Amino acid sequence: GNSVTQMEGPVTLSEEAFLTINCTYTATGYPSLFWYVQYPGEGLQLLLKATKADDKGSNKGFEATYRKETTSFHLEKGSVQVSDSAVYFCALTSYNQGGKLIFGQGTELSVKP
Amino acid sequence: EPEVTQTPSHQVTQMGQEVILRCVPISNHLYFYWYRQILGQKVEFLVSFYNNEISEKSEIFDDQFSVERPDGSNFTLKIRSTKLEDSAMYFCASRSSVSTMNTEAFFGQGTRLTVV
Repeated sequence: GNSVTQMEGPVTLSEEAFLTINCTYTATGYPSLFWYVQYPGEGLQLLLKATKADDKGSNKGFEATYRKETTSFHLEKGSVQVSDSAVYFCALTSYNQGGKLIFGQGTELSVKP
Repeated sequence: EPEVTQTPSHQVTQMGQEVILRCVPISNHLYFYWYRQILGQKVEFLVSFYNNEISEKSEIFDDQFSVERPDGSNFTLKIRSTKLEDSAMYFCASRSSVSTMNTEAFFGQGTRLTVV
């Protein structure tokens, strides 16, 4: 079945550091890929998405590129801020699955001033 | 901005009791979902709901669970007889369509259920 694997957290960085959170997936067909973010005390929010191979999703300085050859969707940001501290979830859905999302286990990011 | 609202934010219940978790999806959305996250584990799909019936359910969603859209605005998850292992954060989500090309799922803030 479909699955998503994320790098383990927590990840602790200093402000302005470069961020990479790895995400790989297993899926039949051509899934759509997502990054969701959960800020403390809040719900899950869509951060970015990519719906086909080689697409790059981007938002708020974050980027992720849909790599079919490596089945990956790594999240990157060039310079993190304290306000980026949150839990980040990689997820996928396949077109024929009624919008059901399959999530990775989440990676907690803590950015120190 | 429209949002999905869940109540309560935290519920503590005794083992064996029934609980109802409530969600108000975004008003023009048609597809509704419940997910849960046991502490330290993945967010897991429980059930999807469309046109007043369950579209899909996971293995987790056994006979102890039920969902309902009683009045056209609320979307509820009922657990009939709670177990300790039901303790988790429960997320409700809604979506206007299932075309992933153009739509996203909007999530509520979650209800933390603690079974004691």
